[in-house]
Amino acid sequence: NAGVTQTPKFQVLKTGQSMTLQCAQDMNHNSMYWYRQDPGMGLRLIYYSASEGTTDKGEVPNGYNVSRLNKREFSLRLESAAPSQTSVYFCASSESGWENTEAFFGQGTRLTVV
Amino acid sequence: GQQLNQSPQSMFIQEGEDVSMNCTSSSIFNTWLWYKQDPGEGPVLLIALYKAGELTSNGRLTAQFGITRKDSFLNISASIPSDVGIYFCAGPDSGGGADGLTFGKGTHLIIQP
Repeated sequence: NAGVTQTPKFQVLKTGQSMTLQCAQDMNHNSMYWYRQDPGMGLRLIYYSASEGTTDKGEVPNGYNVSRLNKREFSLRLESAAPSQTSVYFCASSESGWENTEAFFGQGTRLTVV
Repeated sequence: GQQLNQSPQSMFIQEGEDVSMNCTSSSIFNTWLWYKQDPGEGPVLLIALYKAGELTSNGRLTAQFGITRKDSFLNISASIPSDVGIYFCAGPDSGGGADGLTFGKGTHLIIQP
């Protein structure tokens, strides 16, 4: 069972470069999320998609864009990477919101911007 | 936004000891979730609490949803080496529904042999 799959697992970017983080889930979940995790900060929500065709900003959306390509896939794009975006990025999905226990996280993408 | 305060920030314990950690908020949560994150992995849900006063167990783990709905605790009994990791409390943002989760900053559990 794949669950939530993120690619790539590791990435190094130069300041100003762009890249897209990919996320796919095979559980037919409606809601998908992107978080970043920094030391001592816990996880902070960047963007979320409550259902296919909708996206909304979370706590720290600046510098990012997202696309809910279809029900399975939710990508996160950095148009012009900055060192402050060095972090571990997690994608998550749930059947519908957080009112049930079926919420899963991917293994993370470790991004370094130099 | 809402904030969750977790304590302690880290714990150094001996194998076999019991562990207790808690999470408090200045605002009410209708759901409390406890996650564990192993090194290099994403968080995994341990226990979900949906009702004030609820006490729920999952093996050696026990969690309670505080009566005021502003706090929760997680206990681990008879710790073993695989309990090492970061434990997060989390709750749905005020919008509820499919909005994101607010996470605490985590409690690092380290077990000394």
